[in-house]
Amino acid sequence: GAGVSQSPSNKVTEKGKDVELRCDPISGHTALYWYRQSLGQGLEFLIYFQGNSAPDKSGLPSDRFSAERTGGSVSTLTIQRTQQEDSAVYLCASNLGGWQLNTEAFFGQGTRLTVV
Amino acid sequence: KQEVTQIPAALSVPEGENLVLNCSFTDSAIYNLQWFRQDPGKGLTSLLLIQSSQREQTSGRLNASLDKSSGRSTLYIAASQPGDSATYLCAVRSGSSNTGKLIFGQGTTLQVKP
Repeated sequence: GAGVSQSPSNKVTEKGKDVELRCDPISGHTALYWYRQSLGQGLEFLIYFQGNSAPDKSGLPSDRFSAERTGGSVSTLTIQRTQQEDSAVYLCASNLGGWQLNTEAFFGQGTRLTVV
Repeated sequence: KQEVTQIPAALSVPEGENLVLNCSFTDSAIYNLQWFRQDPGKGLTSLLLIQSSQREQTSGRLNASLDKSSGRSTLYIAASQPGDSATYLCAVRSGSSNTGKLIFGQGTTLQVKP
């Protein structure tokens, strides 16, 4: 596709259930980021993938959060045993990576997660 | 640790006014700085990207400057319009070798009154 695609756009889940959020980056982009934005707050970094390097997981808030990136393209963010404080908009971004660091990052429209 | 600060947090101006949004960062070792716009309930739209070796970038009524040594960037919006109302975010890309991570400020929420 032309841009970063995220699905679903909205997700309502019951407390304690697991959820999976998907991100399709722009074709050819080797760098992929996940951010979380709670209501009225700034962007909180979660995890960063760069090519085949080990991901930077330093922003994951707890071990209930994990992310994978298969084949260097699609990424899935999984939240286990969801809690109400997990309610937020989850944003994904991608850009050219590796040595091409002076490039623009593009964001998807986000997944709005509501835990009830 | 890189930290990004945006001032002011909110701004309200009458239509037609020129305005400046400020962004500062603590570590001058950046690859680039990017300004984004976010409308309520939406994702982020990229406005301007300034490379670390550049001083400014222009797009239409927008002009962004970068003073890397002092850790500052400004976004200048000329002849503001109600459609410019949104939250404006700056982000720096910094880190070691090939692991440049985007670090965001908290944003400036702009309201342009007709």
